[in-house]
Amino acid sequence: DGGITQSPKYLFRKEGQNVTLSCEQNLNHDAMYWYRQDPGQGLRLIYYSQIVNDFQKGDIAEGYSVSREKKESFPLTVTSAQKNPTAFYLCASYSSLQETQYFGPGTRLLVL
Amino acid sequence: GQQLNQSPQSMFIQEGEDVSMNCTSSSIFNTWLWYKQEPGEGPVLLIALYKAGELTSNGRLTAQFGITRKDSFLNISASIPSDVGIYFCAGQLRGETSGSRLTFGEGTQLTVNP
Repeated sequence: DGGITQSPKYLFRKEGQNVTLSCEQNLNHDAMYWYRQDPGQGLRLIYYSQIVNDFQKGDIAEGYSVSREKKESFPLTVTSAQKNPTAFYLCASYSSLQETQYFGPGTRLLVL
Repeated sequence: GQQLNQSPQSMFIQEGEDVSMNCTSSSIFNTWLWYKQEPGEGPVLLIALYKAGELTSNGRLTAQFGITRKDSFLNISASIPSDVGIYFCAGQLRGETSGSRLTFGEGTQLTVNP
């Protein structure tokens, strides 16, 4: 099946720890995105990548890092510099043919 | 930057009622998208609109791309309990600098009472 997968579904982080969220797509889409969603709020863009080995900061990039070594994969690292990391993280990829973004199922990050 | 105002923030309706929500922007968009998000899941695309004035239906859902390109609405007819969720609008302005970035509204939380 074609689609976007995110793992894990739930992730726990200890104080001062870096954690990496996985996002994989087999849709052959060039562009991929990471969003953060807080309770009762909309989606805020963290980072995006329009092509392999290139990425740009979104609106709330501080405390996060990404890499795009393969077209299929766009992992997000939540660093210890992110002081309020508890949120729902959504990955998306973009279909240039349909001019739409498609989302993964999300990862909920909780701080212990 | 661009902002989308989505209203209402929340709606509580009875099963069978029709629902209407809308988004307005300070800037024009080339594409309007409507998504639905259920608890603990990622948003799912409902309807995509590509031309000013376009009216598109998907089952009981109807959405329109405003003539000014600064607004869009979504209607749900004869609501059912499974319509519960958060509905997001999103606008896209294609260009060299904006690429394929979307601007999202804050969402409309829909509750349907059986």
